[in-house]
Amino acid sequence: QSALTQPRSVSGSPGQSVTISCTGTSSDVGGYNYVSWYQQHPGKAPKLMIYDVSKRPSGVPDRFSGSKSGNTASLTISGLQAEDEADYYCCSYAGIYWVFGGGTKLTVL
Amino acid sequence: EVQLVESGGGLVQPGGSLRLSCAASGFTFSSYEMNWVRQAPGKGLEWVSYISSSGSTIYYADSVKGRFTISRDNAKNSLYLQMNSLRAEDTAVYYCASPGGLYSSKSGFDYWGQGTLVTVSS
Repeated sequence: QSALTQPRSVSGSPGQSVTISCTGTSSDVGGYNYVSWYQQHPGKAPKLMIYDVSKRPSGVPDRFSGSKSGNTASLTISGLQAEDEADYYCCSYAGIYWVFGGGTKLTVL
Repeated sequence: EVQLVESGGGLVQPGGSLRLSCAASGFTFSSYEMNWVRQAPGKGLEWVSYISSSGSTIYYADSVKGRFTISRDNAKNSLYLQMNSLRAEDTAVYYCASPGGLYSSKSGFDYWGQGTLVTVSS
């Protein structure tokens, strides 16, 4: 049950696009189409942004998109806005457990 | 409005026990899988435990297996986490989480509580 690998930080200017990667193994990310992404602002509970690799819950802007290739999943945020500045976590189902990534801090410059 | 409200956190000595509760409202609790997810101070999220809607299927993270017990009371719309043999590394905010409208926890966790802080220290 090792954590998925995410970059510690990414940054971008308003209006730009950023991509956050999430690397696992064939036992988790690569083995199932069950990757989800969460946004967390300081002191708040996580918020689901993407589920089933690329699906968006209602209410999540279409600026947020997800994809997967092999053992690596990605979250892309286009048209960056100031309110997107937060921590982002990926999560993968892995059979009889779930594993999260270490988290990526997104800074909007 | 969907609400998950955790309670029961606090300060406990190493080796001690604590029971967390999560009160659900605004959705048909008995129809949904539930999970506990924790976050150590300044650290990332860690999945802790899963329980099916009926309570018949339960999973634990290796880090808590044998020490924590998840349970639910569908008549009381409540989820529980009994934590025994607590260690300093169990110090964290504990969230209850549900897939909600996604139906399956495999897809992700759409409903989250606000969390309850557990501090294990002498």
